[in-house]
Amino acid sequence: AAGVIQSPRHLIKEKRETATLKCYPIPRHDTVYWYQQGPGQDPQFLISFYEKMQSDKGSIPDRFSAQQFSDYHSELNMSSLELGDSALYFCASSPSGEGGLWNEQFFGPGTRLTVL
Amino acid sequence: QKEVEQNSGPLSVPEGAIASLNCTYSDRGSQSFFWYRQYSGKSPELIMFIYSNGDKEDGRFTAQLNKASQYVSLLIRDSQPSDSATYLCAVMVYSNYQLIWGAGTKLIIKP
Repeated sequence: AAGVIQSPRHLIKEKRETATLKCYPIPRHDTVYWYQQGPGQDPQFLISFYEKMQSDKGSIPDRFSAQQFSDYHSELNMSSLELGDSALYFCASSPSGEGGLWNEQFFGPGTRLTVL
Repeated sequence: QKEVEQNSGPLSVPEGAIASLNCTYSDRGSQSFFWYRQYSGKSPELIMFIYSNGDKEDGRFTAQLNKASQYVSLLIRDSQPSDSATYLCAVMVYSNYQLIWGAGTKLIIKP
């Protein structure tokens, strides 16, 4: 079965550089979530999109922005990178629908960002 | 206090025994409950979800929900070394459609 695709899988950047992470949700999933997970921490919700519109916002720094495109893929843009931005960045997608099942979030493999 | 609490562990269980993982939550408006398994450096993988009070079984996994006591648990029968991972409890509150995560319980299955 198709899963969530994220690219790149690994990314190394220097401080003050920019980075763009991409997420391709499971087909027919119209909701995308971005999470940041530091070592030993639970996933921290950053932002979500439903039908190409921002649906919710979490602890996303102002230096970060994201959008969802017409094909439902999403990109997380990170500028003025800091050492503390080094983390695993996960994208998850979920389907819309009735019965509450749309709450299920299926995670991609993640992008490991290292800021030097 | 976190809205979703889990014992960080590690919880050590002999192979073949039952592993019991617990999670409590503070928001009585919580309506959907999820258990994710995460291997080190990998993404969370959905194991079980439950919406109604009682038990829900899927293979070796059983999720138990008690809304009155505000806890949800995950039982793993016939534990295998491959079950060794961190188990994350997540709770969805419909008011904002966000998943609230626990910090996870590290489970170690001893051969």
